[in-house]
Amino acid sequence: DAGVIQSPRHEVTEMGQEVTLRCKPISGHDYLFWYRQTMMRGLELLIYFNNNVPIDDSGMPEDRFSAKMPNASFSTLKIQPSEPRDSAVYFCANGGGGRSFFGQGTRLTVV
Amino acid sequence: GIQVEQSPPDLILQEGANSTLRCNFSDSVNNLQWFHQNPWGQLINLFYIPSGTKQNGRLSATTVATERYSLLYISSSQTTDSGVYFCVLETSGSRLTFGEGTQLTVNP
Repeated sequence: DAGVIQSPRHEVTEMGQEVTLRCKPISGHDYLFWYRQTMMRGLELLIYFNNNVPIDDSGMPEDRFSAKMPNASFSTLKIQPSEPRDSAVYFCANGGGGRSFFGQGTRLTVV
Repeated sequence: GIQVEQSPPDLILQEGANSTLRCNFSDSVNNLQWFHQNPWGQLINLFYIPSGTKQNGRLSATTVATERYSLLYISSSQTTDSGVYFCVLETSGSRLTFGEGTQLTVNP
């Protein structure tokens, strides 16, 4: 198993543009999480899914953020329109049943 | 929500030294994990340890759930051990709560 795969690894975009982050989770884990990491706030949970269903999106900062999990093999986190304060590393993680596994993260820079 | 406190916040070691990182938490949890975030940002699961003691090479971890703490031991530290060590608690619904981390620097 290749682990949790995120793409792209790095994204630089201009303010106002739409950004889509992608995650391919590990099969066999029921939970999928999106986190954001910044120097100021550390790791923050944005949203998580259980069996592809969004359970808690209270961590999503604004309506500009949305996430989908159309099937067990794929999830996206979209920011539209993006702003400089969205610059961070975004992690996708799998969990459920004990251990959690993180992707390598997408480093987003909004200029 | 549950509170997680890690100590020390920063630690500087000389290569070869041993260290103990501590995680205190305020409530019972479903499980506890230790993660290492390397200087490149990658988060790596070190231990899944809701209770008891586990060892993996130079690393070992002990969780005393009844007293709400966990310890991560690093022996014979190496420069590649540098990074941030997170204590991560799983509460209801498999939600993960992260401590603020211990920033470890191992100097050659």
